[in-house]
Amino acid sequence: EVQLVESGGGLVQPGGSLRLSCAASGFTFSSFDMHWVRQGIGKGLEWVSGIGSGGETYYVGSVKGRFTVSRENAKNSLYLQMNSLRGGDTAVYYCARGAGTGFDPWGQGTLVTVSS
Amino acid sequence: QSVLTQPPSASGTPGQRVTISCSGSTSNIGSKDVYWYQQLPGTAPKSLMYRNNQRPSGVPDRFSGSKSGTSASLAISGLRSEDEGDYYCATWDDSLRGWVFGGGTKLTVL
Repeated sequence: EVQLVESGGGLVQPGGSLRLSCAASGFTFSSFDMHWVRQGIGKGLEWVSGIGSGGETYYVGSVKGRFTVSRENAKNSLYLQMNSLRGGDTAVYYCARGAGTGFDPWGQGTLVTVSS
Repeated sequence: QSVLTQPPSASGTPGQRVTISCSGSTSNIGSKDVYWYQQLPGTAPKSLMYRNNQRPSGVPDRFSGSKSGTSASLAISGLRSEDEGDYYCATWDDSLRGWVFGGGTKLTVL
């Protein structure tokens, strides 16, 4: 069974840092693009970042220079290093596999709250 | 303000057919495939439609997708109470060099 499990969310002060992790299982992780998508509380979905199977990275404009996506294929893991966090970054962060069927599947999400 | 425009809400009674629209531009829908995601209350999103009109395994054929020019649509026929939730369109945007989502449409089954 293909499964994605996020971890690392929590409460952080504005200006602080947090590192999210996504553990993948049930598929050949190294062969797929991977993505982070976030959802503010009661709001819609926003694509945050993606990393290709070859390591190329992509970011939404609002996080460029603050967030860094990376992957460790040997550990079947995806990461999102988030620095200089702002209130607007408060959201549930989902990791998702980039498949032919789109973002599929999605993890259960991890909540990041940026507040003093 | 989302790059892709969806109506904030849609509704129908059981058995009816409802359509959700998604409007974009030449840099996204006009030149790229459209994907649809279903998010039922309290759950993570799920892939519902890919490459404009293809259904992933397990998605009922009550769901169908189409694309024309810079717009796309998701149709749900034989509406059921378990279809109630939020629906999002998404595609790649060449100008932004990133994926973009619609604002989402909340579907209510009356």
